[in-house]
Order: sequence, then C-alpha cells, then structure tokens
Amino acid sequence: EDKVVQSPLSLVVHEGDTVTLNCSYEVTNFRSLLWYKQEKKAPTFLFMLTSSGIEKKSGRLSSILDKKELSSILNITATQTGDSAIYLCAVRDPGGTSYGKLTFGQGTILTVHP
Amino acid sequence: DGGITQSPKYLFRKEGQNVTLSCEQNLNHDAMYWYRQDPGQGLRLIYYSQIVNDFQKGDIAEGYSVSREKKESFPLTVTSAQKNPTAFYLCASSKPGQGNTGELFFGEGSRLTVL
Repeated sequence: EDKVVQSPLSLVVHEGDTVTLNCSYEVTNFRSLLWYKQEKKAPTFLFMLTSSGIEKKSGRLSSILDKKELSSILNITATQTGDSAIYLCAVRDPGGTSYGKLTFGQGTILTVHP
Repeated sequence: DGGITQSPKYLFRKEGQNVTLSCEQNLNHDAMYWYRQDPGQGLRLIYYSQIVNDFQKGDIAEGYSVSREKKESFPLTVTSAQKNPTAFYLCASSKPGQGNTGELFFGEGSRLTVL
C-alpha cells in the first residue's frame, strides 16, 4: 500500500518566519510528487516535482524532491498571515496505467500569527 | 468556464439514509476521483475512475458506491453501511494523455453531516 507521511502535523509561527514542511513517501511506482495548499475548500495546486534535486520556485515558496531519500520539502520564507492553510503532499503511482491514483499525506496545518 | 461542479455544497441527513453527491466536469478529463477529508486531516481516496464504465476502489471504499456512465459525471453514494459518514467530500479530475504527471483539479466540495 502506498504511504505518504508529512511532518510536522501542525506548526505555529509569526509573520516573517521561515518554515520548512516535510513529506516522505513509499510507493510501488513513483511518477510525481505534488504539493497543494488548502485554505477553505478546494485544494489549490502549488508544485509538481518529478526530478530529484531540481528546485521549483514560486515567489516565497519553493520545493525540492530527493528521490534517494524518498522525500520532499516545501519552504516558505517571510511568512504572511495569508500563508495560513493546510499544506498537502501527494504522490502519484501510475500502477501501470496512464493515471493510477494520487495518495495524500495527512497534511500540515500552518498558522501564521501577525 | 471549464471546471468541476459538486452539489450540494451542504447536506444534512439522518442516520440510515443513503445520500448521493453529484460531481460534474466539463474539462474533458478522463480520470475522476472522490476523496474524503476529516477535520484537520489530509485526503483519503474513496474511489477513482479512469474511463467510462470502469472504476476502482481506493483506500476507504467500504460503505460507498459510485458509477461512471458518462465521461462528465461521477456521482458518489454514501450508503447506510458507512459507519462515520460525516465529512467533507472532494471530487477531482485529471488531464488525459500519456506522460500525465498527476495534477488534480478539484471541485469546491460537499460537506455532509449525518444527524
């Protein structure tokens, strides 16, 4: 069974702090790792990682994949209250098909205080 | 605009009643998924479908049923056999084609409360 574990499960910081969220996985056939941000309802897509060691960046957010360690980190610098959300990590295992399934971790609840 | 529509957004039901959650997409996506989310937790896969008239169980399929008679539609029925049905339900779809690396597009969700 595919497994995705995120840590920490929750995190409380103050505006301006830098945070690092972790995601580790065990899947039979790895295709990609995805990060999502969920504020209220629908998760919104942040990054998709397929190659080890290549950083993806979007503003204050960045992420990198380590296939040797079966893990990924999501960094947020200079945090703002608007970064408060659940951050979800997911891994795709195609299982020999075009789509397969996406397995999510438990999520990290980030709270940023002013 | 293209997207995924879930309905209803909020639903209250009594114990022992079956309920059906609707999910419709006009993105021309082949694959569709149902996830369940409990408060403060991640998403758990209930069922998924990669083509019309075919679907597979996810990690927590017990007490749920689905159908995929049309490409655009993937309704989820929460049956009375589901022991803890109160949750937030998210429907998603995925782009077609080889080399698809997995981004899911989500609906706005349906919050089911069983009284």
